[in-house]
Amino acid sequence: EVQLVESGGGLVQPGGSLRLSCAASGFTLSSYAISWVRQAPGKGLEWVSAISGSGGNTYYADSVKGRFTISRDNSMNTLYLQMSSLRAEDTAVYYCSKDLTTSSLGYFQHWGQGTLVTVSS
Amino acid sequence: QSALTQPASVSGSPGQSITISCTGTSSDVGGYNYVSWYQQHPGKAPKLMIYDVSNRPSGVSNRFSGSKSGNTASLTISGLQAEDEADYFCSSYTSSSTPWVFGGGTKLTVL
Repeated sequence: EVQLVESGGGLVQPGGSLRLSCAASGFTLSSYAISWVRQAPGKGLEWVSAISGSGGNTYYADSVKGRFTISRDNSMNTLYLQMSSLRAEDTAVYYCSKDLTTSSLGYFQHWGQGTLVTVSS
Repeated sequence: QSALTQPASVSGSPGQSITISCTGTSSDVGGYNYVSWYQQHPGKAPKLMIYDVSNRPSGVSNRFSGSKSGNTASLTISGLQAEDEADYFCSSYTSSSTPWVFGGGTKLTVL
């Protein structure tokens, strides 16, 4: 069974940093594209970042480019999102999501339960 | 403001059909067949319902169907059931510098 478990969220001051983790099980992390998608309280979904399966190409939304870094540790089957220079508008529940197939990119089939990041002084 | 435009809300009675639209541009919905739809119940993670405009992942009811005409994609739910009451989001690949975008979401109420 595919499982994704996010962790690392919390309260951080503006300008601070945080690293989110997404522990994957039930599949081989390196074979699938994985994305981070966030949802501000009471708002819609916003795609944040993705890392492709083979090749490990990375992609970022303009809103986080230069501030967030996506990476993965295949030996630990874990995905990370390093977030820096955090702003109030980064406050959201952050979900990691596994893509539909080993060749797809941008079809978010399996989701974790999300981890809440709050940026506030 | 979301890149893709959806109606804020739609409603229908049990057994009826409803359609949710998702309007973009030739740089996203109109230019690629990479449109997907997601269902989200309150407090839950989203669920992929449609991909590649009109394909259903395994396990998704055939009451859900997708289509596209020009710059507008649509999700149709037939035989509405109480459990269909949820928020629905469309998504598309885009040629802009942010490769994937979502619509603002549509709240479906089953009367």
